[in-house]
Amino acid sequence: EAGVAQSPRYKIIEKRQSVAFWCNPISGHATLYWYQQILGQGPKLLIQFQNNGVVDDSQLPKDRFSAERLKGVDSTLKIQPAKLEDSAVYLCASSLVGLGTQYFGPGTRLTVL
Amino acid sequence: AQSVTQLGSHVSVSEGALVLLRCNYSSSVPPYLFWYVQYPNQGLQLLLKYTTGATLVKGINGFEAEFKKSETSFHLTKPSAHMSDAAEYFCAVSDRASNTGKLIFGQGTTLQVKP
Repeated sequence: EAGVAQSPRYKIIEKRQSVAFWCNPISGHATLYWYQQILGQGPKLLIQFQNNGVVDDSQLPKDRFSAERLKGVDSTLKIQPAKLEDSAVYLCASSLVGLGTQYFGPGTRLTVL
Repeated sequence: AQSVTQLGSHVSVSEGALVLLRCNYSSSVPPYLFWYVQYPNQGLQLLLKYTTGATLVKGINGFEAEFKKSETSFHLTKPSAHMSDAAEYFCAVSDRASNTGKLIFGQGTTLQVKP
């Protein structure tokens, strides 16, 4: 069974630029999560989707971050414009249902200069 | 609001020694409890979880954890450390009441295993 796929694995941009990350969850998984992991900290949930609907985006900085899961399968997370403090690893996870085990992708490491 | 505290950001043990990683949670209702492991440049992998039932939970790679409600703790143990156990370990909780599956993570503990 294929795991959660993420791309790119690494991205370096300058502040005020835009960037997008892509996530393809495990086939059949209805719930998709985006987490932000700043160096030295645990992951923090940014947004949770159930199929193509948003369940929780309370910690998403909506002035600069956006995410979508239009067809209820893969998802994109966008940052525009990026700030230095956005440097982090962005992890995507999926689960069969909301309370199911979350399976994590390898993450995208973003460096903002 | 729920929170998770992992005591000790770095733990160092000798190969073959007992591993003990500490986790305490703050919640009015005992949450679902998890331990994840993260190897360098990889995503998180579930080691074990407690949802209900037996308070001693066994996971992969010889790890186990015990839920102690009176102490609001969920410490992770392994009787004998192996070099391959060196990694970052995260304790996490999920709120039973909201039922969304949202995970709140602790700060993480880096486990170093010395030969």
